[in-house]
Amino acid sequence: DGGITQSPKYLFRKEGQNVTLSCEQNLNHDAMYWYRQDPGQGLRLIYYSQIVNDFQKGDIAEGYSVSREKKESFPLTVTSAQKNPTAFYLCASSIGGDSSYEQYFGPGTRLTVT
Amino acid sequence: KNQVEQSPQSLIILEGKNCTLQCNYTVSPFSNLRWYKQDTGRGPVSLTIMTFSENTKSNGRYTATLDADTKQSSLHITASQLSDSASYICVVSESYGQNFVFGPGTRLSVLP
Repeated sequence: DGGITQSPKYLFRKEGQNVTLSCEQNLNHDAMYWYRQDPGQGLRLIYYSQIVNDFQKGDIAEGYSVSREKKESFPLTVTSAQKNPTAFYLCASSIGGDSSYEQYFGPGTRLTVT
Repeated sequence: KNQVEQSPQSLIILEGKNCTLQCNYTVSPFSNLRWYKQDTGRGPVSLTIMTFSENTKSNGRYTATLDADTKQSSLHITASQLSDSASYICVVSESYGQNFVFGPGTRLSVLP
């Protein structure tokens, strides 16, 4: 998992509550990403950030929010507006934002909302 | 629409046997193709990356091939080990920006 940490590994929340997932990297990478993984589907991009204090929506940003106040941190908040939040969430980072750079993934956080 | 398809969806083999996983894509313009290994409950780890001009790349017992004309790739695993049990994900990148298109993965189980 090389220098990217996600916490906690498992997270349980009641419906209607916001929850924040942590992602930290010590690789000095400029770009960071959040993906959602559901069974039988490929990873889907939620948000990405190519530089501090800047981020862009991915394919499924509705119901999520992020911040990038520090280079090493990219927390993801799952809001009550997200209709189906139960999933496995993966954070990744790369040296730069171009697709030619390899992405390094964290160990993931499994979120269960009941 | 950019898509990546993988087959089979799942595969069971005996330890020591070889296997080949397939990836077909429609991503255009093409930049590169990666194969990742993802253990259950963990993040994906890169195995190989190939650009347009490369048609084969090896990483130990893993050998990936790429046919950019037919937009197909394969991942061949030689002399499988129990630790090869995982999901294998094919990821294709567009030439511009940072768009990665992930396949659904193939779930490989290696039995003793």
